[in-house]
Amino acid sequence: DAKTTQPTSMDCAEGRAANLPCNHSTISGNEYVYWYRQIHSQGPQYIIHGLKNNETNEMASLIITEDRKSSTLILPHATLRDTAVYYCIVRDQAGTALIFGKGTTLSVSS
Amino acid sequence: NAGVTQTPKFQVLKTGQSMTLQCAQDMNHNSMYWYRQDPGMGLRLIYYSASEGTTDKGEVPNGYNVSRLNKREFSLRLESAAPSQTSVYFCASTERPRDTQYFGPGTRLTVL
Repeated sequence: DAKTTQPTSMDCAEGRAANLPCNHSTISGNEYVYWYRQIHSQGPQYIIHGLKNNETNEMASLIITEDRKSSTLILPHATLRDTAVYYCIVRDQAGTALIFGKGTTLSVSS
Repeated sequence: NAGVTQTPKFQVLKTGQSMTLQCAQDMNHNSMYWYRQDPGMGLRLIYYSASEGTTDKGEVPNGYNVSRLNKREFSLRLESAAPSQTSVYFCASTERPRDTQYFGPGTRLTVL
């Protein structure tokens, strides 16, 4: 599975959009981009995933660049409850486990 | 529908003691996983079970054993606990290996 690079930490004001970047320059054609988050040492929670098209669900949007070497997770209206560690993970559909890096710690403040 | 449940939530052991961490899921998932998370780190895979009756090693299996008791339950055993096994342990399940994984709340284990 390809390796990902994320900023260590980011800040966001409550009510604003939070844009979390991820670089995955070695991604291969059959690998998906997954995003999970972990709130205060709870179990990781699935957010969204995509292959090459942009994706949106009730939690977030995922924008993947055309060359697929980077992506951005967008939380459109961040709340205090979105404060968490966000993990960007690249894996193929045959992959067994999720390979977690250190993620980005997002701090949302009022 | 409780999802993935883990027991106990907290445990303190002395070096050399043994214990079993329990995990159960009620989503009728085929695949189950055990991860550990050390402070400030991401999760690392210990063992997984792609389907009932099968188990395989992950990235950090040494010092652990697992049992896929039935489709619902997947237990993790520490035969002789060591301080290096102090960690938070997460269980996860998924319908198929390539699908989204759902995680339990974790077991916080301290080995003195």
